[in-house]
Amino acid sequence: DGGITQSPKYLFRKEGQNVTLSCEQNLNHDAMYWYRQDPGQGLRLIYYSQIVNDFQKGDIAEGYSVSREKKESFPLTVTSAQKNPTAFYLCASSMGSTGEQFFGPGTRLTVL
Amino acid sequence: GENVEQHPSTLSVQEGDSAVIKCTYSDSASNYFPWYKQELGKRPQLIIDIRSNVGEKKDQRIAVTLNKTAKHFSLHITETQPEDSAVYFCAATPYNQGGKLIFGQGTELSVKP
Repeated sequence: DGGITQSPKYLFRKEGQNVTLSCEQNLNHDAMYWYRQDPGQGLRLIYYSQIVNDFQKGDIAEGYSVSREKKESFPLTVTSAQKNPTAFYLCASSMGSTGEQFFGPGTRLTVL
Repeated sequence: GENVEQHPSTLSVQEGDSAVIKCTYSDSASNYFPWYKQELGKRPQLIIDIRSNVGEKKDQRIAVTLNKTAKHFSLHITETQPEDSAVYFCAATPYNQGGKLIFGQGTELSVKP
């Protein structure tokens, strides 16, 4: 569990602001993922990356952007185009594309 | 694309009883099926997983069964304890899609002492 970290734990955003959520892992995992969780619902995939400098859209990518410049880092930017960003954001990583995914502790984003 | 349905949404059992949670999936090419436990405000933690070439897997009080023909898989928890109370999620990994997980809606399990 300690191998994947997210910051900050809580984040508040004003209307029209972009905010960036950090995700770092020291597990030497190739693949990284971003999920969004709304109350009483399952996790939905935003973006994922299998290797450095490459990423793909998930099921709810609109209003979000990512980068993967380093193997250990996969930051997520929530742009002002995301109309309902208040949610719990979870980052995960895995060794390959068919292995166990380890989750970070999450970032709770609230729009003021 | 893949769709995962999970039932029931809530489950209440007495301590010591068994609990069963069921999931169905739509993509017959999906090949990896993990189960996660999530306590309130915490990260999901993998409790057991199964691959498509296996029909059943057991780990102490927890077991998972997979029926590929019917495209459903189930989580079985025996001798439940109050610390088993949490939300449980099933998931499926579609074949050759980067390992992304498609999650069910979750089951809130309550174990009463």
